Amino acid sequence: GNSVTQMEGPVTLSEEAFLTINCTYTATGYPSLFWYVQYPGEGLQLLLKATKADDKGSNKGFEATYRKETTSFHLEKGSVQVSDSAVYFCALRRNNAGNMLTFGGGTRLMVKP
Amino acid sequence: DGGITQSPKYLFRKEGQNVTLSCEQNLNHDAMYWYRQDPGQGLRLIYYSQIVNDFQKGDIAEGYSVSREKKESFPLTVTSAQKNPTAFYLCASTPQVYGVSNTEAFFGQGTRLTVV
Repeated sequence: GNSVTQMEGPVTLSEEAFLTINCTYTATGYPSLFWYVQYPGEGLQLLLKATKADDKGSNKGFEATYRKETTSFHLEKGSVQVSDSAVYFCALRRNNAGNMLTFGGGTRLMVKP
Repeated sequence: DGGITQSPKYLFRKEGQNVTLSCEQNLNHDAMYWYRQDPGQGLRLIYYSQIVNDFQKGDIAEGYSVSREKKESFPLTVTSAQKNPTAFYLCASTPQVYGVSNTEAFFGQGTRLTVV
C-alpha cells in the first residue's frame, strides 16, 4: 500500500539556518506529492506540490523536488525565520485512489531567534 | 471567501455521550474527509465521502459515524463506543476529478475534542 515516512522531530534551528526535512514514499505508479504546514491550533495549509518526476514545487522560500529514483520529496529552505515554526507534513495522492491523501507523521520545526 | 468551516473549535464531552462535529464547505467540492490527529502524530483517516449519500470507512472508523445528505455538509458523530475520543479532528475537501491526483485538499481549522 501507500506510505510516507518523514524524519522525526522536533527539528530546532537558529534563525537564518538552512532547513532540510526528509520525506520518502512508497507507492505504485506515479503519485502526486505535497507538503502541508500546520501552525499551532490550526488546520493544514498546502505549502507546495509536485505532480511528476523531476518537478520542483516552491512557495515562500521553501522548495521540494520530486525524485522518483530515490522515491523522495525532501523539503528545503535556505534561511528559516521564527515565523516558520510549525509542523510540516509530507503527503501523497495516487491517481484513481479516491483522491485520498496519505500523510507522513509530521515534523515539528522550532526556529529560535 | 470560499472555504471549510468546522465548529465548534473546542468541544467537551462527558463519558458515555455522543457528540457531533460540524463541517461545512462552500467550495462546491464533491469529496469530503474526516481525519483524526493525536498529539505529536500524523493524520489518520476516519471516514470519507466522494458523493452525496455515499461514504466509506477509513482506517479508524470504529466508534464514529457520518452522514452526507448535502454536498456542503459532512458531520461526524463521535459515539460512546469510541474508547479514546480526545483528539484534534480535521475536516477536508477536494474537487472530485477522476483519474487526476494533483488536486490539493482544503482543510478546516479543526475541532479539539476533550472527554471530561
